[in-house]
Amino acid sequence: NAGVTQTPKFRILKIGQSMTLQCTQDMNHNYMYWYRQDPGMGLKLIYYSVGAGITDKGEVPNGYNVSRSTTEDFPLRLELAAPSQTSVYFCASQYGQGEGGARYEQFFGPGTRLTVL
Amino acid sequence: AQSVTQLGSHVSVSEGALVLLRCNYSSSVPPYLFWYVQYPNQGLQLLLKYTTGATLVKGINGFEAEFKKSETSFHLTKPSAHMSDAAEYFCAVRRGDDYKLSFGAGTTVTVRA
Repeated sequence: NAGVTQTPKFRILKIGQSMTLQCTQDMNHNYMYWYRQDPGMGLKLIYYSVGAGITDKGEVPNGYNVSRSTTEDFPLRLELAAPSQTSVYFCASQYGQGEGGARYEQFFGPGTRLTVL
Repeated sequence: AQSVTQLGSHVSVSEGALVLLRCNYSSSVPPYLFWYVQYPNQGLQLLLKYTTGATLVKGINGFEAEFKKSETSFHLTKPSAHMSDAAEYFCAVRRGDDYKLSFGAGTTVTVRA
């Protein structure tokens, strides 16, 4: 199993440009998440999904959009990039099925380092 | 809502010394607790977790943590630090009925030779 994969690893955007961060998992996990990591701030949840076709906002969703058309893929879209979106972005997935599923851990991808200039 | 406080953003220890990383949480319901480690330029990797049962949990690389409900704490320890333990460590909490994790701000560990 490759686990959770993310592309690209690095990207530099100009202000106002758009891009999609790709995330794929091969563990057949229902739950998927997008986080951003800023120095000294831990990880903040941007969006999450509990299954194909179902997404919801996390703590910091402004400026981002997601879709979940398949179990495997959970892309994150940045529209009109701003310097405040300079960060490291992590995708994660987790097994979850009904009551008791919350005890399972999340598996993280290697991250995408994004700089907006 | 739950929150996670990690005391100390940076910890420096000598090789062979005790590593102690502190984590306190607030949660309105019994929580699930996790410690993750992040090595430079990598994603997060699970060290250990507490769900139910024994309150002292053992993880990978010689780490362990103890859940103390009365103190709302889940401190991480390792008896003898190794150079390879240099990394950032995150405590995370989840309510039993929620699939979202709340992370602490992280503690960076430096190991001195």
